[in-house]
Amino acid sequence: AQSVTQLGSHVSVSEGALVLLRCNYSSSVPPYLFWYVQYPNQGLQLLLKYTSAATLVKGINGFEAEFKKSETSFHLTKPSAHMSDAAEYFCAVSEQGAQKLVFGQGTRLTINP
Amino acid sequence: KAGVTQTPRYLIKTRGQQVTLSCSPISGHRSVSWYQQTPGQGLQFLFEYFSETQRNKGNFPGRFSGRQFSNSRSEMNVSTLELGDSALYLCASSNTGKTNEKLFFGSGTQLSVL
Repeated sequence: AQSVTQLGSHVSVSEGALVLLRCNYSSSVPPYLFWYVQYPNQGLQLLLKYTSAATLVKGINGFEAEFKKSETSFHLTKPSAHMSDAAEYFCAVSEQGAQKLVFGQGTRLTINP
Repeated sequence: KAGVTQTPRYLIKTRGQQVTLSCSPISGHRSVSWYQQTPGQGLQFLFEYFSETQRNKGNFPGRFSGRQFSNSRSEMNVSTLELGDSALYLCASSNTGKTNEKLFFGSGTQLSVL
């Protein structure tokens, strides 16, 4: 069964600094991978997804993620953090043949002024 | 286009009661999924419906059930509520229900069981 591990339940960066949120997956077959963001008191919103078309995936709000099969990783990055990026971020893998997401535990991102 | 709508937004129940949550997907979307979110267990898949048929089910007891109507609206029901059922219940919809498709989430129903 697929699984996802997010390293670091809480990440804090300064405004303008690089954002790096780590995600490692476990899958016996090529996976579909996603990053979702959740703002306070809201549902989840898709940032980007990997579906094997390209290893570097660009998403909304300046985020991108790189799929590295050799490292079974799909880390999320943003070159320059903005205060509005403060939220909880979830990495997820889709189970094969099913519209069923398996989520990581989430990483809460705090931006310091 | 309206987003995914979940009602009610907040709900307080006592142990042993039952509860029904409602989800209206984006117009034209045929797949509806439900997730439970708690601080301890995180986000966990409950079930997914497509064209009124349950296609997938997560590892939850039989007290958790759902259904989908012909207009794609969905309800989930929890019977004999337990304290541990306190959670944010999120509904998500998608157009075709394919594995790699983007999910659109509602804001959730916050259920508190006392």
